Amino acid sequence: AQSVAQPEDQVNVAEGNPLTVKCTYSVSGNPYLFWYVQYPNRGLQFLLKYITGDNLVKGSYGFEAEFNKSQTSFHLKKPSALVSDSALYFCAVSDQTGANNLFFGTGTRLTVIP
Amino acid sequence: DGGITQSPKYLFRKEGQNVTLSCEQNLNHDAMYWYRQDPGQGLRLIYYSQIVNDFQKGDIAEGYSVSREKKESFPLTVTSAQKNPTAFYLCASKPQGIGREKLFFGSGTQLSVL
Repeated sequence: AQSVAQPEDQVNVAEGNPLTVKCTYSVSGNPYLFWYVQYPNRGLQFLLKYITGDNLVKGSYGFEAEFNKSQTSFHLKKPSALVSDSALYFCAVSDQTGANNLFFGTGTRLTVIP
Repeated sequence: DGGITQSPKYLFRKEGQNVTLSCEQNLNHDAMYWYRQDPGQGLRLIYYSQIVNDFQKGDIAEGYSVSREKKESFPLTVTSAQKNPTAFYLCASKPQGIGREKLFFGSGTQLSVL
């Protein structure tokens, strides 16, 4: 069975500092990995995905994520945080059969402090 | 302006009442999904549909029903059998095919019990 762990419910970072939001996963076979962001009372917005290829994936709004197969991790990163990055971030995983069995983590709330 | 429209934004249900949440998309996507979001639990799949007149149960389908009579529409009915319906409900869609794993989400409906 597939699963996703986001070990931190809350991450606080000062504006201008680098940020990391952690995600580890478990799936049979090769994973499809995703990051989505949710702003208050809104739906989720796609940030980036890893399917195959380069382990460092670049996405929207300056975010990037690194796929690490040996550590089964897919941490989200940004070199310099903005106050507008404050939101709820979800990591998600599916196996190669696709999004019909996309499994979401419990979310990490990122707060960027001015 | 293309996208997914969910209505209403807020909905209140009386005990024993069925309520229907609307989801309409003009993205010409084949697949549509309903997720339930509870605080601290991430998103859980209720139902999904890959084609008109066909749909499949997700992980928490009990107490819910759907229909897919048109490609653009995928309404969700929360029946009186769902004893704990208070949650934020998200509709999503995506095109079918390899390289098209990204989900597009609506803005959600907050359902509360009176």
